[in-house]
Amino acid sequence: EAGVAQSPRYKIIEKRQSVAFWCNPISGHATLYWYQQILGQGPKLLIQFQNNGVVDDSQLPKDRFSAERLKGVDSTLKIQPAKLEDSAVYLCASSLNTEAFFGQGTRLTVV
Amino acid sequence: GQQLNQSPQSMFIQEGEDVSMNCTSSSIFNTWLWYKQDPGEGPVLLIALYKAGELTSNGRLTAQFGITRKDSFLNISASIPSDVGIYFCAGQGYGGATNKLIFGTGTLLAVQP
Repeated sequence: EAGVAQSPRYKIIEKRQSVAFWCNPISGHATLYWYQQILGQGPKLLIQFQNNGVVDDSQLPKDRFSAERLKGVDSTLKIQPAKLEDSAVYLCASSLNTEAFFGQGTRLTVV
Repeated sequence: GQQLNQSPQSMFIQEGEDVSMNCTSSSIFNTWLWYKQDPGEGPVLLIALYKAGELTSNGRLTAQFGITRKDSFLNISASIPSDVGIYFCAGQGYGGATNKLIFGTGTLLAVQP
C-alpha cells in the first residue's frame, strides 16, 4: 500500500512570495490533515478535511494560508504572501478512522 | 490551540536501559496515539490505544491509556541506538470532534552505545 505522498520535499522562497504544497493521501482515506511543525516543536494542526469538506480550520491563518481538497482526494496548501515565521515543515497526514499516517513533509525556508 | 504536555522534554540514556515518558492533558481524549519522528522524516505511528486503562505492546514498546483518559504513558525496554528520535503522543476525540488529532510537545531520546 502506497503511503502519503508530498511534494516538494524542500522549498526556499523570499518573504512576500507565494508557495504551494501538494499532498496525495493513502487511497480510500477520507480524512486529510495539514500540520505545521516548527523546529523543536510538535506538529500543530492547520486544517482537517473530511472528504472535500473542512472539519476544522481554527488554527489556519486565513489571511495568508488557504487549502483545498478538490474531489476529496489530493490536497493543496498555499501560503500567500509568506513571512519569515512560516519557515517550518509542513506535514500532510491521512486516516481512515482513527490512526493517522504521515508523509515525509515539505521543509519550507523563508528568507 | 491546545497542545499536550510531554515529559521529560529530553532523555540521554545508555544502551540497554529502560525508558519511560508520559503525556498529560487537561482534556479527555477517546484515543491516544504514540509516534516516533526521525530527522527529516514525518512521524511514524508506533502504538494506538482506544480504551481507558488499556495496555498495549509493540515489541519492546508498551503504552498505556490512563484511567482518567487525560494521560498516557510509553515505555521502551532494553533501548538500542536506533531508538534515537523524538517521540510524540497525540490525542484524538477532543471537544467532540471524533478524529481531530492534537500532538504533544515531544520527548527527545538519545541512546549512547
